[in-house]
Amino acid sequence: SAVISQKPSRDICQRGTSLTIQCQVDSQVTMMFWYRQQPGQSLTLIATANQGSEATYESGFVIDKFPISRPNLTFSTLTVSNMSPEDSSIYLCSVEESREQYFGPGTRLTVT
Amino acid sequence: AQRVTQPEKLLSVFKGAPVELKCNYSYSGSPELFWYVQYSRQRLQLLLRHISRESIKGFTADLNKGETSFHLKKPFAQEEDSAMYYCALYTGGFKTIFGAGTRLFVKA
Repeated sequence: SAVISQKPSRDICQRGTSLTIQCQVDSQVTMMFWYRQQPGQSLTLIATANQGSEATYESGFVIDKFPISRPNLTFSTLTVSNMSPEDSSIYLCSVEESREQYFGPGTRLTVT
Repeated sequence: AQRVTQPEKLLSVFKGAPVELKCNYSYSGSPELFWYVQYSRQRLQLLLRHISRESIKGFTADLNKGETSFHLKKPFAQEEDSAMYYCALYTGGFKTIFGAGTRLFVKA
């Protein structure tokens, strides 16, 4: 099973700034996923990142706000740009193996 | 429309009591359903999947296509079962839809 690490584990940022979250997987994977988990709510898929191509964004999420990089088969970054307090959330990186999702530990972001 | 519904946000039971976490789905194809669990300060992880038909930590879940349900059950709840539980539907193309989650609290 895939083991996923994320950096940073948490951060407190000022509005208007940007934060880049890193996700590292211990094996090569085709797709990597970025989710947002807001307190008391479900996981919302932000985008799917496929190595070598542009990320595919879900409805309500745009590349200018959440640019994603996928330089190789084990690594991806998600940037939260021009942050506002509404972006305060936990951001999760995930991969899929045999239709099972594996998750990173999450990045807890607080925007003040 | 593809959808997963967990009607209860919070479920509180006493230790030793039976527990049932409800999940209903909407999907036009043949569903593949999962239960994920997140214990306090741990990452989200798979609890069980319907095709394996296993019992994990005493939990079972049966797919009922007629009622489009995949309820999670355990006959005797333990305090360590307290966690957030998510029902999930694999929709193909590597994508999974998650329900809103149910927080289970098992009281001593």
